[in-house]
Amino acid sequence: ETGVTQTPRHLVMGMTNKKSLKCEQHLGHNAMYWYKQSAKKPLELMFVYSLEERVENNSVPSRFSPECPNSSHLFLHLHTLQPEDSALYLCASSPGSDQPQHFGDGTRLSIL
Amino acid sequence: AQSVTQLDSHVSVSEGTPVLLRCNYSSSYSPSLFWYVQHPNKGLQLLLKYTSAATLVKGINGFEAEFKKSETSFHLTKPSAHMSDAAEYFCVVSDWGTGNQFYFGTGTSLTVIP
Repeated sequence: ETGVTQTPRHLVMGMTNKKSLKCEQHLGHNAMYWYKQSAKKPLELMFVYSLEERVENNSVPSRFSPECPNSSHLFLHLHTLQPEDSALYLCASSPGSDQPQHFGDGTRLSIL
Repeated sequence: AQSVTQLDSHVSVSEGTPVLLRCNYSSSYSPSLFWYVQHPNKGLQLLLKYTSAATLVKGINGFEAEFKKSETSFHLTKPSAHMSDAAEYFCVVSDWGTGNQFYFGTGTSLTVIP
C-alpha cells in the first residue's frame, strides 16, 4: 500500500470513446504526476501539478487532458486515443521538489 | 542538464549471489538520487534515496547504494539475491534547480536464477 490509489486498474476502449483515469492520494503531498510507461521505452513524464497548478506539460497530445480539482485528486481525461496510446499509466505524488515520489499501481490501458 | 544512464538493460544472477545494478548520472546541481523497484503489474516502489547525507545509503530488502561524486555513479548492490528480487529497477535523479522534475533511467531487468 503506497497511499496512492488509481482506478480503474484496467481499461479497454475504442478510439472514439471518452474515458477518465483517476488518481487519489491522502498523503498530504503537494505535487502529483502522470507518467506513461510503454513496453521497452523509458518512463515518460506527461504532466506535473504543484499545489493544484500545472507546472509541466511535456508536449503531450491534446487528446490527453489532465485535471487537478484539489491536492488529493488527479484525473486524466482521454478522448479519441490512438493504438499507440496503449500503455501503463502511472500516477505519483510527492511532498515537493526533491522528495521521493509515491506511485500508484497504474491503469493498464488498451486501445482497440 | 540532468540525465541518468543505467548501464545494463538486463542482469541475471544466481540466487544467493551478489547483485550489482549500475547507474551513472549527470547533474548541474547537487542531485538527489533514488532507486525504485517495479514488480509486474505494479507501480514503482522506493528502495532508497540519497539526499546529500551519508554517501552509503541503506534501503529496504537488504539493498544499498553508494554515491560517488567523482565517478558520478550511484550503483545499487545487494550481498545475496533472493528470488523475490526479480523485477525492474529504475535509477532516478532530481535536482534542486529543476523544480518538481525527476529524470528516470531506462530500467534494468533483474532475473534471479534458482
